[in-house]
Amino acid sequence: GAVVSQHPSWVICKSGTSVKIECRSLDFQATTMFWYRQFPKQSLMLMATSNEGSKATYEQGVEKDKFLINHASLTLSTLTVTSAHPEDSSFYICSAYREPSYNEQFFGPGTRLTVL
Amino acid sequence: DAKTTQPPSMDCAEGRAANLPCNHSTISGNEYVYWYRQIHSQGPQYIIHGLKNNETNEMASLIITEDRKSSTLILPHATLRDTAVYYCIVITGANNLFFGTGTRLTVIP
Repeated sequence: GAVVSQHPSWVICKSGTSVKIECRSLDFQATTMFWYRQFPKQSLMLMATSNEGSKATYEQGVEKDKFLINHASLTLSTLTVTSAHPEDSSFYICSAYREPSYNEQFFGPGTRLTVL
Repeated sequence: DAKTTQPPSMDCAEGRAANLPCNHSTISGNEYVYWYRQIHSQGPQYIIHGLKNNETNEMASLIITEDRKSSTLILPHATLRDTAVYYCIVITGANNLFFGTGTRLTVIP
């Protein structure tokens, strides 16, 4: 099946710093990628839809100035958590459809962010 | 997208069939039923999807009732590696996935 990678897999940072998470589709192109957040023992929550060459679409309640998304190419989307605080500590997961098939979303392995 | 209801947890003996139910009584005619699962600390994995006919692949079978108000995911021979949270999601085609709370399946040796 298609492969989506994320980097880094785990990051620990100090409060107030910014952290960039990369999501790559390794063997297919993706004009659209999705970013999710998952707190411990909770379900995944869709944060935003990342569109190649245009602005991301954010879900209600997600601060676009805090979670910067850039989809600069057909295989790479980045999520930058700006001025991170301990409450931003979470598991961040990206996904994409292997276009032109929209039968299934392929998910990355996730990035665990811990903000001290 | 229609709301889904799943039991919070289930146990299944290793080697037996695991039958995971999902209610989606408000499903509309153009909405598909999708199943994903998430093994602990990993990204979700697609399992199967269907519209109104029963479907089978190498991982599982999906049985959708005639009125499409409920469905059952069947893992024919559960293994310990099938222990995960299983999500039933109803969406129209290529749409955003909104995950509910899912069913935590524990396969017991």
